[in-house]
Amino acid sequence: DGGITQSPKYLFRKEGQNVTLSCEQNLNHDAMYWYRQDPGQGLRLIYYSQIVNDFQKGDIAEGYSVSREKKESFPLTVTSAQKNPTAFYLCASSIGGQGRTGELFFGEGSRLTVL
Amino acid sequence: AQSVTQLDSHVSVSEGTPVLLRCNYSSSYSPSLFWYVQHPNKGLQLLLKYTSAATLVKGINGFEAEFKKSETSFHLTKPSAHMSDAAEYFCVVSPGTGTASKLTFGTGTRLQVTL
Repeated sequence: DGGITQSPKYLFRKEGQNVTLSCEQNLNHDAMYWYRQDPGQGLRLIYYSQIVNDFQKGDIAEGYSVSREKKESFPLTVTSAQKNPTAFYLCASSIGGQGRTGELFFGEGSRLTVL
Repeated sequence: AQSVTQLDSHVSVSEGTPVLLRCNYSSSYSPSLFWYVQHPNKGLQLLLKYTSAATLVKGINGFEAEFKKSETSFHLTKPSAHMSDAAEYFCVVSPGTGTASKLTFGTGTRLQVTL
């Protein structure tokens, strides 16, 4: 079955450490996204990529980094510069960028807790 | 500019009774509108979408929503709630047929279904 796989599902990190969250999709989608979700808030866009080897900052990119070396993969690194990294992180993909309806397909999320 | 307001952060209904989750939007364009559902510790799943075709949109699991331009609303309804409907629901607005990177998420409505 096609879908998006995020790993790990739960992750604990000490302050000052970088951590990388994995996102893999086999939907053959061009565009991929990372969102952050905090209790009582809507999703906020961290980074997105519409094509391999290209990505753009979203609304809250500070303290995060990404890469898009393969169409299937879009890992997110939460760096020590992120002041409040404890959150639920969601990866998503869509068929295309411009001219599309904006429908997203989501992974099951990764919950990061900073100790 | 665009925004979306979910008027209730929490809704509780009895099983078998109707569900109404309210959403108002603001957009400078002719928007696309979506409802997504999220079960605990899971990713989001698309329930239904409006993209300037029929104003009454039917989705999965018996849900439907009506686009009312004059009221700038896109309320989600279901005639009879089931226990499995208990989840968080997000209303999302997109500027017409633009890229998914321009989505704006509401803050969510938690639906509780009681026996």
